[in-house]
Amino acid sequence: EVVLTQSPATLSVSPGERVTLSCRASQTIRSKLAWYQQKPGQAPRLLIYGASTRATGVSVKFSGTGSGTEFTLTINSVQPDDFAVYYCQQYHNWPPWTFGQGTRVEVK
Amino acid sequence: VQLVESGRGLVQPGGSLRLSCVASGFTFSNFWMSWVRQTPRKGLEWVASIRQDGLEKYYVDAVKGRFTVSRDNTKNSLYLQMSGVKVDDTAVYYCAREVGGGAFGGWGQGTLVVVSS
Repeated sequence: EVVLTQSPATLSVSPGERVTLSCRASQTIRSKLAWYQQKPGQAPRLLIYGASTRATGVSVKFSGTGSGTEFTLTINSVQPDDFAVYYCQQYHNWPPWTFGQGTRVEVK
Repeated sequence: VQLVESGRGLVQPGGSLRLSCVASGFTFSNFWMSWVRQTPRKGLEWVASIRQDGLEKYYVDAVKGRFTVSRDNTKNSLYLQMSGVKVDDTAVYYCAREVGGGAFGGWGQGTLVVVSS
């Protein structure tokens, strides 16, 4: 089973800052990585798949990079609507499809 | 893409429950579908997936032998039959549509299942 480790667990930022979230896989997953945003009381929303492809309708402020075992999600100029929990998920070695434990982006 | 789950409820340990998910806005029969659950303690956990024709299915080890995923393409519907439920099955259950070869590109609003005596 591929274990995904996200860091940090919580990120405190001010509006307008650029933030970088990390996701590390326990073994290579090539580029089979997705990122999700989840706000309280809502379902997760797909942001990025294939490590770097934005999903339909996702703002260009979100970008994903990486391959193999190291991945990052960057959010440019964080705005109030971006404060949420972000999850990574791998789909290279399945089953099971696995998720990271999440990074909470909160207002400083 | 719209996915609407139903079947939420309180069930006793050892009991059964069936979750349903009705899809619209896309050609349901063209996509793998999955169930994903979420708890505060364990976060997001993939539960089960089913191929477009229903002939290939996968389950997380924790539910193998107890849960059954199925679909009815004529009704644009996905199901999760839960049997022998345990307290640890308490979670919000989401149905999700596959995209890009294994990401989850559309999610329902979620349905809460509570297993308690």
